[in-house]
Amino acid sequence: SQQGEEDPQALSIQEGENATMNCSYKTSINNLQWYRQNSGRGLVHLILIRSNEREKHSGRLRVTLDTSKKSSSLLITASRAADTASYFCATDDQAGTALIFGKGTTLSVSS
Amino acid sequence: KAGVTQTPRYLIKTRGQQVTLSCSPISGHRSVSWYQQTPGQGLQFLFEYFSETQRNKGNFPGRFSGRQFSNSRSEMNVSTLELGDSALYLCASSFHSGRTYEQYFGPGTRLTVT
Repeated sequence: SQQGEEDPQALSIQEGENATMNCSYKTSINNLQWYRQNSGRGLVHLILIRSNEREKHSGRLRVTLDTSKKSSSLLITASRAADTASYFCATDDQAGTALIFGKGTTLSVSS
Repeated sequence: KAGVTQTPRYLIKTRGQQVTLSCSPISGHRSVSWYQQTPGQGLQFLFEYFSETQRNKGNFPGRFSGRQFSNSRSEMNVSTLELGDSALYLCASSFHSGRTYEQYFGPGTRLTVT
């Protein structure tokens, strides 16, 4: 079953613009992760934010977490064509050994 | 270090047949997890193996099975294939079990069932 639901499902922007994706989840979490997938290939781990953190940065990525609203957002600043991909949020299952993914946001960055 | 490798990368099978997919984890990694990705259901967890033992299993029918060998390589098998089994099958490896944030994913095997 899906834990996270991303919003929007698809996003098209120009190079240089910022892209914001949102994720909502249902149950309490220990951490939340964001992944990128290029064109139906393997997943690449982008960033992890723990339940006691509110914001985290990594390069051009900024992730926020609001546990009271059970939501997270991923901001990519100054987007590049190479950022074109699908982005997924994921949380751990109860056993902590499996990821539960949202349906993802497909980002298209045009030059 | 070489990354996670999956073989074959592409596969076409016929309904009713069975298929075996292989995953070689990063050297030293003992945990291997499998995920199925379809347009309709998205990414769903199949199972996780650690030191040759299945530690966790997703909500899939018994036609889906897996195993892990002493060298940590893992295989998953799908018997009596159905059209709905067409998907990208991803495996991920990590050194520890229970640390999903340390997983590295392979490129996937694209299975098409006709």
